[in-house]
Amino acid sequence: SQQGEEDPQALSIQEGENATMNCSYKTSINNLQWYRQNSGRGLVHLILIRSNEREKHSGRLRVTLDTSKKSSSLLITASRAADTASYFCATDWYNNDMRFGAGTRLTVKP
Amino acid sequence: DAGVTQSPTHLIKTRGQHVTLRCSPISGHKSVSWYQQVLGQGPQFIFQYYEKEERGRGNFPDRFSARQFPNYSSELNVNALLLGDSALYLCASSVSRGGYTFGSGTRLTVV
Repeated sequence: SQQGEEDPQALSIQEGENATMNCSYKTSINNLQWYRQNSGRGLVHLILIRSNEREKHSGRLRVTLDTSKKSSSLLITASRAADTASYFCATDWYNNDMRFGAGTRLTVKP
Repeated sequence: DAGVTQSPTHLIKTRGQHVTLRCSPISGHKSVSWYQQVLGQGPQFIFQYYEKEERGRGNFPDRFSARQFPNYSSELNVNALLLGDSALYLCASSVSRGGYTFGSGTRLTVV
């Protein structure tokens, strides 16, 4: 079963616009991670945010975490066509695995 | 440095057959995890190995097994293949928990 659930399932924007994706999860976590996947190939790690952190930045990426609401958001600013991909959130789980959501498919139109 | 390498990249098998997928982690990474990703879904955890010992197992049948070798490379074995085993199989390595590096995956098609 999925632990994280991304919202929306699909997002289409113009180049230069900002893209916001949300993730909700069900149980307490130690950390939450965001990954990107291009065309069904390997996942690329973007950001890890720990449960005692509220916000983290990396280049054009901004991640927030609200443990009281069990939710996180990923903001991509000034999007580019190359940002077109599926984005997944993943939370740690009790048996050393990570639980992924079903992902948000982002399309950035040139 | 090479990233996580998986082989083969693509594979077609017949129902009932057995398959072995291979993964070489990043040098220095002692933890290897395996995930199954069915089209349109997120990755599902299968196994994690650390220092050659199984550290975690997901909700997969006993037809799925894995092992880790002294050089930290790993194999995932699937017996008695079913059509539903068709998926992208991903291997990930890490130094410790968090911040996994994934390989490009093995696309398995069962016909």
